[in-house]
Amino acid sequence: DGGITQSPKYLFRKEGQNVTLSCEQNLNHDAMYWYRQDPGQGLRLIYYSQIVNDFQKGDIAEGYSVSREKKESFPLTVTSAQKNPTAFYLCASSVSPGDTQYFGPGTRLTVL
Amino acid sequence: SQKIEQNSEALNIQEGKTATLTCNYTNYSPAYLQWYRQDPGRGPVFLLLIRENEKEKRKERLKVTFDTTLKQSLFHITASQPADSATYLCALDPGGYQKVTFGTGTKLQVIP
Repeated sequence: DGGITQSPKYLFRKEGQNVTLSCEQNLNHDAMYWYRQDPGQGLRLIYYSQIVNDFQKGDIAEGYSVSREKKESFPLTVTSAQKNPTAFYLCASSVSPGDTQYFGPGTRLTVL
Repeated sequence: SQKIEQNSEALNIQEGKTATLTCNYTNYSPAYLQWYRQDPGRGPVFLLLIRENEKEKRKERLKVTFDTTLKQSLFHITASQPADSATYLCALDPGGYQKVTFGTGTKLQVIP
């Protein structure tokens, strides 16, 4: 089955620890995205990548880092510099930038 | 600054009626407008895309209109069913491989 996967579904971390969220797609899409969603708010773009080995900051990149070493994978690291990391994180991909996006199931991160 | 507005209040309608959701935008000239459905705890799912030169688009019980003069899109679900209950997000795409911006979404509840 083609699709986009995120793991884990739920993640708990202590304050001050870095944590990496996984995102994998087998849709052969060039573009990938990371969003953060908080209650009552829309999707806010953290980082996006238009092609392998390239990525750009979104609207709220501070405290986050990404890599795009393979077309299929776009992991997101939430660093200890992120002031309020508890949120629902969504990964998405599209054939090319600006196209319809296909979303993963999301990872709910809770920092204790 | 660019702004996308969707009715933040939940929309409650009776089963069988037509649901109409609104997406307004300012300081923006989207080439495309997309609508997504999001169920609780899940990633959004793409529903429809309409181009700036299209007035209306239909897919089964769904209809989208796009008025670039009013800077507004309307999303209609005819013969609504309880299974249509979800949050619906609009997303504005400026085209040219630029990033898409999502609205905050409107929660629809269809009452049996």
